[in-house]
Amino acid sequence: QKEVEQNSGPLSVPEGAIASLNCTYSDRGSQSFFWYRQYSGKSPELIMFIYSNGDKEDGRFTAQLNKASQYVSLLIRDSQPSDSATYLCAVKGGDYKLSFGAGTTVTVRA
Amino acid sequence: GAVVSQHPSWVICKSGTSVKIECRSLDFQATTMFWYRQFPKQSLMLMATSNEGSKATYEQGVEKDKFLINHASLTLSTLTVTSAHPEDSSFYICSAGLAGYQARDTQYFGPGTRLTVL
Repeated sequence: QKEVEQNSGPLSVPEGAIASLNCTYSDRGSQSFFWYRQYSGKSPELIMFIYSNGDKEDGRFTAQLNKASQYVSLLIRDSQPSDSATYLCAVKGGDYKLSFGAGTTVTVRA
Repeated sequence: GAVVSQHPSWVICKSGTSVKIECRSLDFQATTMFWYRQFPKQSLMLMATSNEGSKATYEQGVEKDKFLINHASLTLSTLTVTSAHPEDSSFYICSAGLAGYQARDTQYFGPGTRLTVL
């Protein structure tokens, strides 16, 4: 089983601030990386995916990947109360299976 | 696009009974579907990979005789929890990958089924 580590949080940020989430993974053969958002009692919804080293931006979200360091991060700019959720980092290898981290709970203070 | 549905959304049953959960890809064909289980305050754990027309592949520690998976068509996979017990109470979530599924492709998650066994 591939290991995916995340800071469990909770991470509390004021509205309008940047929330920074980190994730490390153990399998160097991992090919693709995903960030999911999960509200309490709901299933995960995809926020972003990234395959190549560097940054990828989508609206207020930026994913960063560093395969050499086996590290992927997610930045949430201009955080809103609706961003309060648990964020799951997921990693996929050549076996098509997703391995999830434990999730980081984010609370955005109004 | 890429909508996955699950039915039922929640179910309460007595210990010893069997429960069937359906997972459907509504607007795409899914050769591969995945079944996850999530206990409170924990992350998703993959239970099994369901391939259309063939036997499911179970993760280590998951009892294949207790969690029966059938993937009879490109749009439907079912999970049957047989002889359910209170420790089987959990949030069961399926996901589906597009036909011609590749390692880089995204999995689309269903809304989940909350099972409570009394």
